[in-house]
Amino acid sequence: EAQVTQNPRYLITVTGKKLTVTCSQNMNHEYMSWYRQDPGLGLRQIYYSMNVEVTDKGDVPEGYKVSRKEKRNFPLILESPSPNQTSLYFCASSLSGGRRPQHFGDGTRLSIL
Amino acid sequence: AQTVTQSQPEMSVQEAETVTLSCTYDTSESDYYLFWYKQPPSRQMILVIRQEAYKQQNATENRFSVNFQKAAKSFSLKISDSQLGDAAMYFCAYRSASGANSKLTFGKGITLSVRP
Repeated sequence: EAQVTQNPRYLITVTGKKLTVTCSQNMNHEYMSWYRQDPGLGLRQIYYSMNVEVTDKGDVPEGYKVSRKEKRNFPLILESPSPNQTSLYFCASSLSGGRRPQHFGDGTRLSIL
Repeated sequence: AQTVTQSQPEMSVQEAETVTLSCTYDTSESDYYLFWYKQPPSRQMILVIRQEAYKQQNATENRFSVNFQKAAKSFSLKISDSQLGDAAMYFCAYRSASGANSKLTFGKGITLSVRP
């Protein structure tokens, strides 16, 4: 089954404790992206990757890191999480090209205390 | 930069009735794609319908159709014969046809409730 898998689905942690949210897709997609969803703001892009070892900032990259060492994986790293990073996070992937539909993971709810 | 505006935060519709969700966008590009996504309480992001800007014909998917007015930069979603399962948050989104980043620019979303 074609899917984008995020882990964990839920996480409650404390300020400053490094965490990683994993994202994996099984569709051989070149393009992958991370979004955060906040009430009243919709979804905003954090980082994206065009292919292995090619990543770039989105609209709200501060406080986040990513890597793309393998085509299928695109982890989101919060090296020193802060309460303003409490949010719902989505990973998405697609074939390259704007007309290709993006496939979303099921979301990760992060709470930073 | 492109922006997407959904000015109605909430709407309600009677089961079996028709409802229209509004969306406007701003762009200087001529070629792009527009989407409506549904987010039920399970919080999955489900693609409802897609419109390519170069196509004049409005997209239709079963009970879902759009009214795409390119000159007015308007992209509304019509849901016919509303069902209880249509209750969700709906997001309008824009995606450029050019450039390396296939970013989706989302509106703030609208919460649709369906009355039995």
